[in-house]
Amino acid sequence: DVKVTQSSRYLVKRTGEKVFLECVQDMDHENMFWYRQDPGLGLRLIYFSYDVKMKEKGDIPEGYSVSREKKERFSLILESASTNQTSMYLCASSFPQVGGREAFFGQGTRLTVV
Amino acid sequence: TQLLEQSPQFLSIQEGENLTVYCNSSSVFSSLQWYRQEPGEGPVLLVTVVTGGEVKKLKRLTFQFGDARKDSSLHITAAQPGDTGLYLCAGWSMLDAGNMLTFGGGTRLMVKP
Repeated sequence: DVKVTQSSRYLVKRTGEKVFLECVQDMDHENMFWYRQDPGLGLRLIYFSYDVKMKEKGDIPEGYSVSREKKERFSLILESASTNQTSMYLCASSFPQVGGREAFFGQGTRLTVV
Repeated sequence: TQLLEQSPQFLSIQEGENLTVYCNSSSVFSSLQWYRQEPGEGPVLLVTVVTGGEVKKLKRLTFQFGDARKDSSLHITAAQPGDTGLYLCAGWSMLDAGNMLTFGGGTRLMVKP
């Protein structure tokens, strides 16, 4: 059974803290993605990676960074958490897009910044 | 940024009614997908359409990709309460560096018994 695992379901952090969200996939996928989901806004792409150590900005990268040191792991870093980063964060992975590959998602991390 | 706009944002209907959800963009996508998301879970793929004008059927669900590969629609016939959920369209773009998957804003469907 394919699996994308996010390290935490719920997280509460203080403003200004450095926050790490971890995502691990066991499908040997090249592509990995980080999205945030807010009501009425769907999923907005923060960063994606198509190979180890490779990263590309998505639509809303400000305030975030990522790390991909191993193929199976993609980390999202909030350098200095702010209240407007309170959101649901979703990680996904897929094979390279040829004819439209399926993206598999983790269950999400609901982050609250207080 | 390649935007996907979905409409309507919310839909509340009675069991047995038909409905159509639209997904539009000014950009061309190499393929377009529809996902469904249940509360507390990540989105799960329903279908992928690749060719302009393509129509795919999945039981009571019919998906269409526009001729110009910029838009898509999802039609549900005789909706049932089990169809309740968040429906998301998503488009794949091939870039110089990797492939990007962009999502629309979602349509929240409620089907009342």
